[in-house]
Amino acid sequence: AQKVTQAQTEISVVEKEDVTLDCVYETRDTTYYLFWYKQPPSGELVFLIRRNSFDEQNEISGRYSWNFQKSTSSFNFTITASQVVDSAVYFCALSEGVSNFGNEKLTFGTGTRLTIIP
Amino acid sequence: ETGVTQTPRHLVMGMTNKKSLKCEQHLGHNAMYWYKQSAKKPLELMFVYNFKEQTENNSVPSRFSPECPNSSHLFLHLHTLQPEDSALYLCASSQLAGSAGDTQYFGPGTRLTVL
Repeated sequence: AQKVTQAQTEISVVEKEDVTLDCVYETRDTTYYLFWYKQPPSGELVFLIRRNSFDEQNEISGRYSWNFQKSTSSFNFTITASQVVDSAVYFCALSEGVSNFGNEKLTFGTGTRLTIIP
Repeated sequence: ETGVTQTPRHLVMGMTNKKSLKCEQHLGHNAMYWYKQSAKKPLELMFVYNFKEQTENNSVPSRFSPECPNSSHLFLHLHTLQPEDSALYLCASSQLAGSAGDTQYFGPGTRLTVL
């Protein structure tokens, strides 16, 4: 069974500080996909990134970067020079690679609430 | 309209009422999903539809009744709900029905309160 753990329930940092959100996953599949979503107060989950298990290259998108390490089953998310608009709940999610038609199950972590203090 | 839209955004209903939630996706996707998000709980997948056919019912009580008339629209009909059904109901869609790792795109949700 797949599982995603986001041990940090809440994080608060002062604006312009860097912050890293942790994500640890469990799966028996060798093929799987990892995702990060952002949920601002408006409620909508905003897709940030999708990564497959065969691509361990770290990715950078503006102030966002992701560190994927299969050896530790982690897919951590770092925001550099944080801004107030980054305040949201962030979810890490896992989808296993063996697809049973119609069952694209995303397993979500419980989320990390990030507050950026002006 | 772009992306995934949901109406209403907020809904308050009594336990004896009947109401419906609506979701529409403008992305040309083939799969649609209902999720329930309760406070301090992980997102719970409720239903999955591929090409209008229901392919997943995650042991959801019968007081929740989904309907998918076409690949762009998804409804969740509600009747005789309980206060513990109060939650944020999120709709999502994805492109490749049956494809593992397919990215799901979410709507803004309907905040439901059952009195």
